[in-house]
Amino acid sequence: NAGVTQTPKFRILKIGQSMTLQCTQDMNHNYMYWYRQDPGMGLKLIYYSVGAGITDKGEVPNGYNVSRSTTEDFPLRLELAAPSQTSVYFCASSHGTGYNEQFFGPGTRLTVL
Amino acid sequence: EDKVVQSPLSLVVHEGDTVTLNCSYEVTNFRSLLWYKQEKKAPTFLFMLTSSGIEKKSGRLSSILDKKELFSILNITATQTGDSAVYLCAVTIEPSNTGNQFYFGTGTSLTVIP
Repeated sequence: NAGVTQTPKFRILKIGQSMTLQCTQDMNHNYMYWYRQDPGMGLKLIYYSVGAGITDKGEVPNGYNVSRSTTEDFPLRLELAAPSQTSVYFCASSHGTGYNEQFFGPGTRLTVL
Repeated sequence: EDKVVQSPLSLVVHEGDTVTLNCSYEVTNFRSLLWYKQEKKAPTFLFMLTSSGIEKKSGRLSSILDKKELFSILNITATQTGDSAVYLCAVTIEPSNTGNQFYFGTGTSLTVIP
């Protein structure tokens, strides 16, 4: 059981470039989430999904897009990178029913120059 | 609007001290409260609390929930340098068809000095 995996671990982008952050979970969780965490700050929810084919905006969705074509995968797309998107990005998943916690991936550290 | 507030924002203590971290919340359809520890990497799960007055304990860490006053505390006794981390509180609400269930506070940064 790998849990939640994220790739890449680190990335440097130039302003205006695009990239996709990958997230995969092997726990058959319905719910998946993308957070960003700026230095010294808490987690801010970007997008979440309650199941394949269903996504919704969180607190800070501007500049990002997501898709959920399978239960396992929840990629996050940055279309036109800006310095304000420099952050650590965490993907998480949870079962969605019952009393359960979120499981987090190891994070992707993104720098936009 | 649903809200989770943690205090203090940061704390510096000496090894051996006891600390109390606070988390208050205002949400509709409360389900559970969770504590996570984050040490410069992904958050790791500590406790889940669903019932008032029942203490959860793991070694030197303990936590309790008060559903009437809408808060929880996380206690760490005999602190060690390895306890230095950001402690995150999250509240979950009853699941709906399309709603987000998890609401995080901004965290308390704890630094333990040798």
